[in-house]
Formats: sequence, structure tokens, C-alpha cells
Amino acid sequence: GESVGLHLPTLSVQEGDNSIINCAYSNSASDYFIWYKQESGKGPQFIIDIRSNMDKRQGQRVTVLLNKTVKHLSLQIAATQPGDSAVYFCAENRVQGAQKLVFGQGTRLTINP
Amino acid sequence: SQTIHQWPATLVQPVGSPLSLECTVEGTSNPNLYWYRQAAGRGLQLLFYSVGIGQISSEVPQNLSASRPQDRQFILSSKKLLLSDSGFYLCAWTALTSGRDQETQYFGPGTRLLVL
Repeated sequence: GESVGLHLPTLSVQEGDNSIINCAYSNSASDYFIWYKQESGKGPQFIIDIRSNMDKRQGQRVTVLLNKTVKHLSLQIAATQPGDSAVYFCAENRVQGAQKLVFGQGTRLTINP
Repeated sequence: SQTIHQWPATLVQPVGSPLSLECTVEGTSNPNLYWYRQAAGRGLQLLFYSVGIGQISSEVPQNLSASRPQDRQFILSSKKLLLSDSGFYLCAWTALTSGRDQETQYFGPGTRLLVL
């Protein structure tokens, strides 16, 4: 379910390293997933999405992996840069036609110089 | 291209005062519109969404209301603010394409509300 009241988990990585942010979802009927990046004081920004008929999708320096068997979604960021520091949210579309996304609690990624 | 605007960017209001936050979308027609609230360091909570003019769905019982007087305008209101209404309010839109019901939501810049 939604975790709007929980403190964000954090992840720290060294600049230039790869980072992996994980997200677990609960509804096996969810068929569309999105990753958002939110910088401090700004609205969430779309990064990449994936539909349930795929298990991997790549963008520029980012890759999303979907494992429907264990209901797990991950975002991989290659060669992290200081500008990657932000909170990352996964979101799922649980109900067809309802046009509502359910967001994960978010992970705060910090890039260390 | 599509853009989404929110104003004001920040707002400080006393407890018991009214509230009106506005969201407008440009470059699209008949969007779905959404209001979210985000407490500091927390996730996103869906408050309202609208699939058309005058059509509002409320997700959680609360002190707030929403209205959609025009196709690309979404307003969040309160008659009397509570301390617990403080937060970061985000508006989002999505465009439905015929035959598809999975579309990315795009967010506005947000309004930071502090109720004292």
C-alpha cells in the first residue's frame, strides 16, 4: 500500500559508481510502472517507464528492470553524477482505467564526491 | 509542447483562513488532473483527481475540496485551514489516448503551504 507517512530510506554512492534503487510492489495486476526523480523543492520528474510485457528498458544512463515473479522493480543509474542526487519514486498503475498511480515511499540518493 | 503551472509557489497562511491553489495546463485538451500532497521527507498522497469539467473524485477524507471550472484548470480549496494542511501540494496531468489507459503523469512545480 501507499507509504506516505514513512521516512525515506537512503542510499549513498560515490560519484562515478553505478547505483541501484529498488522498489517492491504488491499488486500482481499492475501493468505499468514509472520511475520519477524529485529534486529538493521541485515536482517529480519523469525518468523512465516500463509496461508489464517487458522486463527491461533502457534510457540514457538509466535502466529499469521488472521482475513480475517477485513483484520487484529496480532503477539502475550508471556512472552517477552529482546531479543525480534526489529522491526517486516508483509508481504503479494498479487498476486498469482508473488512471491512478500508486507511489512507493521513495529513496533518497546521495552522490558523494 | 505541454506545460503545467501552479501558483502561488509558496504560501504562508494562518490557521482558520481560506485557501485557493490553482493549477493550469497548456498545450493539451481534456487532460486528467490530479492533486497530491507531500509532507516533508515523505511520499506522495493523492487527494483528488478529475477526468473532466465538474468531475471530481476524492481519495481521502479531509479539510480540502477541489474544483475544475474549466478543462485545463484545477483548483484546490479550503474554507478553514488546519495546521495539518501544511505541506507541498503538487498538481499533475495525464493525457488519455484512445484505447490506452496507462499514461505517464506529469507534475507541476508545486506549492509549498505553511499554516501557522
